[in-house]
Amino acid sequence: AQSVAQPEDQVNVAEGNPLTVKCTYSVSGNPYLFWYVQYPNRGLQFLLKYITGDNLVKGSYGFEAEFNKSQTSFHLKKPSALVSDSALYFCAVRDLNTDKLIFGTGTRLQVFP
Amino acid sequence: DGGITQSPKYLFRKEGQNVTLSCEQNLNHDAMYWYRQDPGQGLRLIYYSQIVNDFQKGDIAEGYSVSREKKESFPLTVTSAQKNPTAFYLCASKSGWAEHEAFFGQGTRLTVV
Repeated sequence: AQSVAQPEDQVNVAEGNPLTVKCTYSVSGNPYLFWYVQYPNRGLQFLLKYITGDNLVKGSYGFEAEFNKSQTSFHLKKPSALVSDSALYFCAVRDLNTDKLIFGTGTRLQVFP
Repeated sequence: DGGITQSPKYLFRKEGQNVTLSCEQNLNHDAMYWYRQDPGQGLRLIYYSQIVNDFQKGDIAEGYSVSREKKESFPLTVTSAQKNPTAFYLCASKSGWAEHEAFFGQGTRLTVV
């Protein structure tokens, strides 16, 4: 079965520092991976996706993610964090057999001034 | 203004009552999904529909029902059989098999009183 894991419930980082939010995946076949962000009491917003091609994927709001096949990881990164980046971040994988999106448990990012 | 509209934003239900959550999209998307979000558990799939008049159970379908009579509408009924209905409910849609990412509504917070 397809699955993703987000090993950190919360990540704390100072404003201006680089941030990383971790995600590992387990899939049969080629992975289709996504990152979404959720602000309080709101829906999820799509940030970026990896389908194929370059291992470094660029997305919205200055975020990027690095796909690493050997480590089965898809970590979300940003070179310089902003306080406004504070939110809940979800990693997801698409199950091609059923067209379902399967989500991780989420990581809360706190950026301190 | 294209998008996914969920209503109401907040909903209160007495124990033993059925309640229906609305999800409407004007994106002309074929696939629609319902997720339930609980703290620390990420998003869990309740039901999904890839085409009008067809839908499939997700991972936690017990106590819920759906219909897909129109392409733009995918209402979710939370029945009295759902033992712990208090949660944040998210509706999503996706264009079709060729498209990968899904887009989300703003959510409905259901509270049983």
